[in-house]
Amino acid sequence: QSVVTQPPSASGTPGQRVTISCSGSNSNIASNSVNWYQQLPGTAPKLLIYSNNLRPSGVPDRFSGSKSGTSGSLAISGLQSEDEADYYCAAWDDSLNGPVFGGGTKLTVL
Amino acid sequence: EVQLVESGGGLVQPGGSQRLSCVVSGFTFSKYWMSWVRQAPGKGLEWVANIKQDGSEKYYVDSVKGRFTISRDNAKNSLYLQMNSLRAEDTAVYYCARIPYYREIPDYWGQGTLVTVSS
Repeated sequence: QSVVTQPPSASGTPGQRVTISCSGSNSNIASNSVNWYQQLPGTAPKLLIYSNNLRPSGVPDRFSGSKSGTSGSLAISGLQSEDEADYYCAAWDDSLNGPVFGGGTKLTVL
Repeated sequence: EVQLVESGGGLVQPGGSQRLSCVVSGFTFSKYWMSWVRQAPGKGLEWVANIKQDGSEKYYVDSVKGRFTISRDNAKNSLYLQMNSLRAEDTAVYYCARIPYYREIPDYWGQGTLVTVSS
């Protein structure tokens, strides 16, 4: 059972806008930034969004993030088939002195 | 180019030990906190341990405290995870990852190494 919670699944059709939410607590999301990883099957997680709403070089601007209080969200606009992957919310947890991860959301492009 | 390459995974019996290694390149290893993160088959990500740049501070998830030890050799650009008293629930892909700044989540990850604990 993850300290940070997110829905196990989400779906959308090509071109649609999809959002994935995550909920944490005062020791993680409320006091630190929300971050998002994308994981394709059989590969390592790739940092998608950091510091709530920043994109590493090479990540398309179709991906955006936000934070409010103890919650965060990832939005994907103009959904594409290659976006089908697992998405993980993550934040530093001050009580653990380490990162905590949501349970992951499997995104299906219909 | 930043690279992290793990090794040392394999099949180990319950109660046994295994030592994972991670060799890094493309950045100044001694300037960064480092982490181990694991992922059980078909499951989500779980942070395992962190180590400070000089090795003076180490933190662990409760489930591995007293059994796992994280260490590093800055002269060899290498990170290690010594795993003792292994249990079936430790079966996972273990990733080595770089922490860009303290209290930030990992930015670069290795490809992972699979540890299977089974008789």
